[in-house]
Amino acid sequence: EAQVTQNPRYLITVTGKKLTVTCSQNMNHEYMSWYRQDPGLGLRQIYYSMNVEVTDKGDVPEGYKVSRKEKRNFPLILESPSPNQTSLYFCASSLSLGQGGVGVGYTFGSGTRLTVV
Amino acid sequence: AQKITQTQPGMFVQEKEAVTLDCTYDTSDQSYGLFWYKQPSSGEMIFLIYQGSYDEQNATEGRYSLNFQKARKSANLVISASQLGDSAMYFCAMREDYISGNTGKLIFGQGTTLQVKP
Repeated sequence: EAQVTQNPRYLITVTGKKLTVTCSQNMNHEYMSWYRQDPGLGLRQIYYSMNVEVTDKGDVPEGYKVSRKEKRNFPLILESPSPNQTSLYFCASSLSLGQGGVGVGYTFGSGTRLTVV
Repeated sequence: AQKITQTQPGMFVQEKEAVTLDCTYDTSDQSYGLFWYKQPSSGEMIFLIYQGSYDEQNATEGRYSLNFQKARKSANLVISASQLGDSAMYFCAMREDYISGNTGKLIFGQGTTLQVKP
C-alpha cells in the first residue's frame, strides 16, 4: 500500500530533551515536506526537500532540523524542544512538480501530536 | 505573496442538505493547482478534490464539487446531501508552480470546521 509512515503518533516530552519524529514513504517520491498545524493558523511548512541531500527552510523553520540521506526517509529533529513547539505535525510527500505539474497533491502521514511541557 | 483565505471558522448544516465552504486565493501566477482536504477528528488529512488553473470545467468527485471562479479567485467546495460523517475540518490549499522563485509547496488556508446536524 502506498503510504507515508510517521512515528510516533503521540509524544509528550520535556523542554530541552532532543527528539526525532521519523517519516518514511514507499512511493519513490522526490518531494517531501514537514508541516505543523496550529488552531486558527492552518498548516505551515517547516522544511522541505526536493530530493536526496537537498533540503530547504519553509515558513517556520526555527527550532527544527531535517536531513534527507535516503529518498524514502525525512526525519524531523527538535534539538531542544520548547512549549511553543507543541503542535500537530505532518509529514507529506509527492512527485516533484517536474514529474507531475501543479496537479500533484500530497500524500500525508497520519500526524504526530507533540506536547512539550 | 500567495495566500489562501477561508473566512468561515465554523459552519453547521442539516443532514441531507448541501453546504458551500468558501475559499479565496491570491496569486499572480497563471499556473497553480487548488485542492481541498478533509481532516476528521482522528486527525488524518484526506484528499477530496483538485482543480487546475487551466481547467475550464469545475471539478467533481462524487458528492464533492469545486465551484471555480478564476476571475474572482475563488474555489468554493460544495458538498451535496451532507452526511453525519462529513463532520470534520476542511482545508483549502493551493500548489504554486516553480516560477517566480516559488518552491512548489502546498499553501493552506486556516480551515473551516463543518458540523452536520441530524
